[in-house]
Amino acid sequence: NAGVTQTPKFRILKIGQSMTLQCAQDMNHNYMYWYRQDPGMGLKLIYYSVGAGITDKGEVPNGYNVSRSTTEDFPLRLELAAPSQTSVYFCASSPDRGYSPLHFGNGTRLTVT
Amino acid sequence: AQSVTQPDIHITVSEGASLELRCNYSYGATPYLFWYVQSPGQGLQLLLKYFSGDTLVQGIKGFEAEFKRSQSSFNLRKPSVHWSDAAEYFCAVAPQGGSEKLVFGKGTKLTVNP
Repeated sequence: NAGVTQTPKFRILKIGQSMTLQCAQDMNHNYMYWYRQDPGMGLKLIYYSVGAGITDKGEVPNGYNVSRSTTEDFPLRLELAAPSQTSVYFCASSPDRGYSPLHFGNGTRLTVT
Repeated sequence: AQSVTQPDIHITVSEGASLELRCNYSYGATPYLFWYVQSPGQGLQLLLKYFSGDTLVQGIKGFEAEFKRSQSSFNLRKPSVHWSDAAEYFCAVAPQGGSEKLVFGKGTKLTVNP
């Protein structure tokens, strides 16, 4: 089982560029999440999805967009990259809303210069 | 709003020594409580979780944690640390049935000296 797969692992963007961070899971989990991790700040929820076609904002959604057309995939879109979006991004999934732990991908390290 | 505090940003222990990582939370009811570990360059992996029942929970890699309602704490312990335990540890709290409201502490980085 691959679990949660994130691509790319690293990316450097120029200010104003756009990109999509890919996330795929093969565990048939309904719930998927995008977090960003900044040094000394823990993880902050950007967006989450409770199933195909359903997404909602987390704590820090500004500057990001998501879509969930299938159970497996949950891409995160940055439209106009800003230096404040320099971070490590983690995708996670879970089968339910609380009892089961989150399964994390290995992250995407994004630098915006 | 719920919050999680990990008072120690960085802890250094010698291999074979005991370890305790502190976690305090602020929440009205008993939440779901988790400890995750993050090795360098990796995602987070669940060590253990508490929902109800026995307040001492066992996890993977020889870790355990004790829930103390009176102190709003969920401290992580290990009797004898191995060099491979060097990593960053995150305490997390969620209301029951609300994983989208999961709140992470800021993490404690563990260094293990030989």
